[in-house]
Amino acid sequence: AQSVAQPEDQVNVAEGNPLTVKCTYSVSGNPYLFWYVQYPNRGLQFLLKYITGDNLVKGSYGFEAEFNKSQTSFHLKKPSALVSDSALYFCAVRSLYGGATNKLIFGTGTLLAVQP
Amino acid sequence: GAGVSQSPRYKVAKRGQDVALRCDPISGHVSLFWYQQALGQGPEFLTYFQNEAQLDKSGLPSDRFFAERPEGSVSTLKIQRTQQEDSAVYLCASSLRTEGGTQYFGPGTRLLVL
Repeated sequence: AQSVAQPEDQVNVAEGNPLTVKCTYSVSGNPYLFWYVQYPNRGLQFLLKYITGDNLVKGSYGFEAEFNKSQTSFHLKKPSALVSDSALYFCAVRSLYGGATNKLIFGTGTLLAVQP
Repeated sequence: GAGVSQSPRYKVAKRGQDVALRCDPISGHVSLFWYQQALGQGPEFLTYFQNEAQLDKSGLPSDRFFAERPEGSVSTLKIQRTQQEDSAVYLCASSLRTEGGTQYFGPGTRLLVL
C-alpha cells in the first residue's frame, strides 16, 4: 500500500536556525512528491514538488527538499527559519493506482513552531 | 489570478439535513479533486473529475455523498442526511493537467453537524 509518514508531530526551532521537517514514503515505482503548508483556517498552499531530475528541489519562501531514493525520504528544509514559517506542513505522494486518478496521499502533518 | 474558491466557508447543519458545498476551480483547469480533512489529520481523497467525467469516487465514505461537475467547471459536493461524523473541512483542488500536475487548493468549507 502507498503511504506517507511524518514521524514528528511538532518541530520547534529558533528563528534564524535551520529547520528540517521529515517525510518518508512508501510507493511502487517512481514517486511524485509534494510539500504543502497550511495556515490556520486556510487551505493548503503548494510549496514544492519532485517529479524527476535533480534530487534537490527549490520551492517557495526559501524552502527546499531533498529526494533520497535509497532512504525513501523527502525532507523539507530551510537554511534560516522565520517566525512567519510557523504553520502545519504536509508531505504528500501521488497515488499510482486507480487508473487516471492523480489523487494525493497525505501524511498526518507536522506543526512547525519557530520561536523568536 | 483568481485561485480556487469554495462556498460557503462555514456550514452548520442539524443531523439529518442535506448540504451542498460548491467549488470554483481555477479557470481552464481540467482536473478537480475533493478531499476531506478531519480535525488533526491530513486530507483524505474523496473523488476526482477530469472535465465533467467522474473518474474516481473510491474515497466517498458512503452513498450519502454525491459529487458532480456537469459542465466541467464548477463542482458541487452534496451530503445527504448528514451525520455527526461528517463534520470536517472539505477541500477542493484543481490541476491544469491530468498527469502529475500540481494541485491547487481552495480555502475549504468547514462543516459542523450538530
